[in-house]
Amino acid sequence: QSVLTQPPSVSGAPGQRVTISCTGSSSNIGANYDVHWYQQLPGTAPRVLIYGYTNRPSGVSDRFSGSKSGTSASLAITGLQAEDEADYYCQSYDSNLSGALWVFGGGTRLTVL
Amino acid sequence: QVQLQESGPGLVKPSETLSLTCTVSGGSISGYSWNWLRQPAGKGLEWIGRIYIGGGTNYNPSLKSRVTMSGDTSKNQFSLNLNSVTAADTAVYFCARASSGTYYVFDYWGQGTLVTVSS
Repeated sequence: QSVLTQPPSVSGAPGQRVTISCTGSSSNIGANYDVHWYQQLPGTAPRVLIYGYTNRPSGVSDRFSGSKSGTSASLAITGLQAEDEADYYCQSYDSNLSGALWVFGGGTRLTVL
Repeated sequence: QVQLQESGPGLVKPSETLSLTCTVSGGSISGYSWNWLRQPAGKGLEWIGRIYIGGGTNYNPSLKSRVTMSGDTSKNQFSLNLNSVTAADTAVYFCARASSGTYYVFDYWGQGTLVTVSS
């Protein structure tokens, strides 16, 4: 069970907008630790889509955007394309009585219909 | 362009030690945090630990008793040792760099290497 909770799957038709949520708690997102988002295509390593909640690395399409609200973060993808079909992961930092570590959500599989 | 490449045995016997090396090219390993992560088949990502060359190590509390990381600046490499492995340690293992500066984000990754724990 992951520290950060994501929906297992989302889907949308080409051209549509989808959002993926990442819900945390007071020991991670709620403690104001940053959230980053990764895209993982089948058989490849993850790549950074969004860092620091809302920032896009150079080369990432502006169809991808991030936001934060309380103890949750969200990734929005507009103008869905077939090439967006992938797994998406959120990442943050968690600090509690058991220790401190970087944590991920369980991942969300995006299907483009 | 920074590139990372994992290497090591693809098959490890139960109770033995898993040893992997990550070779970095296109930049020095000094001044950055270098990480190991893993992903069991069909599952999510798990951070194993990091080494900051010249600054120490941090490990996932759930793996801390079994993990050791080290770095070799002369070879521009860093390594992972995970002892007393079981089938639950079977996964694709990635090495990754964490960016310097404000955000601890994994900006460069190796392609990953599958390690299977089996007799």
